[in-house]
Amino acid sequence: GEDVEQSLFLSVREGDSSVINCTYTDSSSTYLYWYKQEPGAGLQLLTYIFSNMDMKQDQRLTVLLNKKDKHLSLRIADTQTGDSAIYFCAEVFNGGGTSYGKLTFGQGTILTVHP
Amino acid sequence: DTEVTQTPKHLVMGMTNKKSLKCEQHMGHRAMYWYKQKAKKPPELMFVYSYEKLSINESVPSRFSPECPNSSLLNLHLHALQPEDSALYLCASSLTDSYGYTFGSGTRLTVV
Repeated sequence: GEDVEQSLFLSVREGDSSVINCTYTDSSSTYLYWYKQEPGAGLQLLTYIFSNMDMKQDQRLTVLLNKKDKHLSLRIADTQTGDSAIYFCAEVFNGGGTSYGKLTFGQGTILTVHP
Repeated sequence: DTEVTQTPKHLVMGMTNKKSLKCEQHMGHRAMYWYKQKAKKPPELMFVYSYEKLSINESVPSRFSPECPNSSLLNLHLHALQPEDSALYLCASSLTDSYGYTFGSGTRLTVV
């Protein structure tokens, strides 16, 4: 079965780096996603990584994937107060051979950035 | 166009009302999804349409009725809802089973 776990809370000072960790169980996942959700808003796709990659960088965001340990992390450099939100990691489970995928989310990490 | 558009953004309805949520995408995605999200919880899958056919119904009560009129549109018809159905309803689409999974901004539904 599929299961995704995240730590629930992270608090950092403005200007520091934030690292949000995630573990997943489905070794057949092809893509792993990071979404950001601000209060009262929908899900914003931050970044994703293909399962044959071990790192992806996109401006302030760095995603690291350790496929052996099934561990995914999101690093936000120079964290700002506007980065305060809930961050969800998600893996896609497609049950094999289908044209759709079921996203399995972690519980979400609440990131609080202090001035 | 790289967006999934949902309307309305907010909806308040009584338990005897009938209403519909709408979702639209023009990215050529052939899979479309409805998710339900309660406050501070992850989204939960409700329905999946693939090539306009219902592929997954995650044991959702019949008071929720999905419809996919064409490859760009997805509706969720609501009837006789309960207060516990109040939530954020998110539509998503994907190009393939796993690539390009994009969410709309959601409809915040309140049942009174």
